[in-house]
Amino acid sequence: EAGVTQSPTHLIKTRGQQATLRCSPISGHTSVYWYQQALGLGLQFLLWYDEGEERNRGNFPPRFSGRQFPNYSSELNVNALELEDSALYLCASSLRLAGADTQYFGPGTRLTVL
Amino acid sequence: AQTVTQSQPEMSVQEAETVTLSCTYDTSESDYYLFWYKQPPSRQMILVIRQEAYKQQNATENRFSVNFQKAAKSFSLKISDSQLGDAAMYFCAYRSGDYKLSFGAGTTVTVRA
Repeated sequence: EAGVTQSPTHLIKTRGQQATLRCSPISGHTSVYWYQQALGLGLQFLLWYDEGEERNRGNFPPRFSGRQFPNYSSELNVNALELEDSALYLCASSLRLAGADTQYFGPGTRLTVL
Repeated sequence: AQTVTQSQPEMSVQEAETVTLSCTYDTSESDYYLFWYKQPPSRQMILVIRQEAYKQQNATENRFSVNFQKAAKSFSLKISDSQLGDAAMYFCAYRSGDYKLSFGAGTTVTVRA
């Protein structure tokens, strides 16, 4: 069974540009979560999508946004990039079923903002 | 908001020996889930073990076991018979009712051959 996949592996952008990160969940999983792992800040929850809807949002500005497609894959968009957006962005997926909702993570996208 | 604290930034263990990683959390919820994840240098976050708060029995997964003390809000991970492949950053995580994970700062485990 294929795990969570993310693309691209690395992304280099300049300040002010937009970045788009993609995530494909494990087959059958309907929930997708995004986390930011920045140096010195640890792992922080960004967004949760389930069944195409945004269900929860972490303490991030509105220029962090995303969406979930009918096939449950997801996109994270970061607009007006700032230097401090440089981080590893991790995507996770799960079933939304009590007792079976463990989050499984992808390999991450390393975003570097110059 | 839930706070997860890992007080040991680094731990070192001899191959085949046992190491215990500590984790404490702060919550007012009665029903929640706790996890340990490992992140090797490859960056992939891998699930190690999961514990439901309503279960009194401590979870075990092969060489990995937890000591869950609900009243003390403590959730430690024991790695027995440590192997070189266990070297990684280990994160304790709390899952609240809103499905988001809150992570501790992590503990880097080094295994000495």
